[in-house]
Amino acid sequence: QSVLTQPPSVSAAPGQKVTISCSGSSSNIGINYVSWYQQLPGTAPTLHIYENDKRPSGIPDRFSGSKSGMSATLVITGLQTGDEADYYCGSWDNNLRVVLFGGGTKLTVL
Amino acid sequence: EVQLLESGGGLVQPGGSLRLSCEASGFIFADSAMSWVRQAPGKGLEWVSGIHGGRVETFYGDAVKGRSTISRDNSRNTLILEMNTLRVDDTAVYYCAKSDGSYRLNEADFWGQGTLVIVS
Repeated sequence: QSVLTQPPSVSAAPGQKVTISCSGSSSNIGINYVSWYQQLPGTAPTLHIYENDKRPSGIPDRFSGSKSGMSATLVITGLQTGDEADYYCGSWDNNLRVVLFGGGTKLTVL
Repeated sequence: EVQLLESGGGLVQPGGSLRLSCEASGFIFADSAMSWVRQAPGKGLEWVSGIHGGRVETFYGDAVKGRSTISRDNSRNTLILEMNTLRVDDTAVYYCAKSDGSYRLNEADFWGQGTLVIVS
């Protein structure tokens, strides 16, 4: 089954900013909301962004999301070593009638 | 406090069946869409199945369609996934996840700790 496309890895130094992209199609990101999840090593995922750009309570404002056309972006500013994790985007697909996840992006804070 | 407790994982032979359960507490279960998401060792997330909180409409990913059934018992706050004709590539940690609202399967705002299924 098709997935949303993310870069396999990104890296940046502490205090810097990183951007993670998520590319989809007209049947998913193009017309539906995008969510972003953080998965720390050995733990379950946690929701960090929903409805493209909203943060659940408790998520710091260093995390932000946006969507344009058939792509979405997660931006993390003021990087901390504790941000090292895998990040996944997700969106509903109207044609397939399933939730699609991106392949995941491993963030390394150098 | 929201809690999702999965059970039913373990070692299963190829061709066998399993029944995963997710016991929910701390929120109005009947009003929440629920999903099963799995993660094979060293791999990414794969959405397996979902069920609405209202009309109880169900959805399945291609990998399990035709050999899986998702259901819910709102009186017992329990989500169930039954899978048969298991294959080696079904080996994964299976997470139960809740959504905020009856229909928002895409927005899983809380996840259980997962139950490991090994098909071998």
